[in-house]
Amino acid sequence: DAGVIQSPRHEVTEMGQEVTLRCKPISGHDYLFWYRQTMMRGLELLIYFNNNVPIDDSGMPEDRFSAKMPNASFSTLKIQPSEPRDSAVYFCASSSRSNQPQHFGDGTRLSIL
Amino acid sequence: GENVEQHPSTLSVQEGDSAVIKCTYSDSASNYFPWYKQELGKGPQLIIDIRSNVGEKKDQRIAVTLNKTAKHFSLHITETQPEDSAVYFCAASQGNQFYFGTGTSLTVIP
Repeated sequence: DAGVIQSPRHEVTEMGQEVTLRCKPISGHDYLFWYRQTMMRGLELLIYFNNNVPIDDSGMPEDRFSAKMPNASFSTLKIQPSEPRDSAVYFCASSSRSNQPQHFGDGTRLSIL
Repeated sequence: GENVEQHPSTLSVQEGDSAVIKCTYSDSASNYFPWYKQELGKGPQLIIDIRSNVGEKKDQRIAVTLNKTAKHFSLHITETQPEDSAVYFCAASQGNQFYFGTGTSLTVIP
């Protein structure tokens, strides 16, 4: 079975632009998580969904960040407008049930100039 | 909320030696403890996990131990090989959310 698929793998854009990150979870997984990884703060949970419904978005840093999951096989994380401090690696992960292993994609390395 | 501390932050060992990484957690309700390995440019990959009803689990050269009373758990890698070089993360969970440690960068010197 294919793992979690993220796109793009790399994104370089200028400050103020809109950025959209995409994720396809493992088929049959009911939970989807968005994380941000930086040297300073490590792995931070931004938001997670259960059956396409956002459950906890308390980790979303600002209103500039938004996430959607229109169906079981696709999710987006959007930053508008983007700022240099948003530069990080963003990971998507999915799991089959609560308290089960989370399977990570290979991430999107985002650089905001 | 849960707080997970991980030590050491960096670890260098000679090929063939053992490596041990330790984590502590704060919330006694946590009952699931996965370990992840992250290679450069890749996402974290699960290597082993343990639940609170088990004290130890082993998978070939990798083992994890859990002390619920002391609220700490450890990863043991025996007969280390150069391909074990990576960043390792521990995590604690009691439901949907994983709380990750800050990572240990392991270098295995050939």
